[in-house]
Amino acid sequence: GENVEQHPSTLSVQEGDSAVIKCTYSDSASNYFPWYKQELGKGPQLIIDIRSNVGEKKDQRIAVTLNKTAKHFSLHITETQPEDSAVYFCAARAPYGGATNKLIFGTGTLLAVQP
Amino acid sequence: NAGVTQTPKFQVLKTGQSMTLQCAQDMNHNSMYWYRQDPGMGLRLIYYSASEGTTDKGEVPNGYNVSRLNKREFSLRLESAAPSQTSVYFCASSEGQTGELFFGEGSRLTVL
Repeated sequence: GENVEQHPSTLSVQEGDSAVIKCTYSDSASNYFPWYKQELGKGPQLIIDIRSNVGEKKDQRIAVTLNKTAKHFSLHITETQPEDSAVYFCAARAPYGGATNKLIFGTGTLLAVQP
Repeated sequence: NAGVTQTPKFQVLKTGQSMTLQCAQDMNHNSMYWYRQDPGMGLRLIYYSASEGTTDKGEVPNGYNVSRLNKREFSLRLESAAPSQTSVYFCASSEGQTGELFFGEGSRLTVL
């Protein structure tokens, strides 16, 4: 089955700097890669996703890149702000028959943005 | 809209006790899910319900049962709690089987 590895587990940056979180997946059939942000005491919330037919997607200060050959994808946050501090999860899903939202999540990255 | 509501938010159990976590969504979503979150292990799917009247096992179903009571409600039951079930449990829903997941705020369960 699918396995998703996420690095780093913790990341500390200065406000205004960029942050990059990387994930690798094992199942070459996976075709959907979302990123979720979890603030303290809250449930995860989708912030951006990418499908396997594109290599990059941007939404304001957030971008995700996908390298299907290498089976890895990354989250890029530019001009970080204190409110970006949270735990970020990557996930992958393979399109098997009858499969529902069987997302396989990475282990999470705790991002701390220092003012 | 409240979105996805879970109760209780906190619970302490003794080994062998039983309990049910309740989840309700008001977004008219067809699919609902239960995940557990453990340090260093991310989110793991316990059970899901693709639509009202159906349930199926996820990655870590052992020790749990679920009931899709109606379209809005999906409960998770621990029949005989074990310390290994100490975790934070999240309920989620999605419009279709592959749509965006909307999570509740979590239920922190401690089994002594």
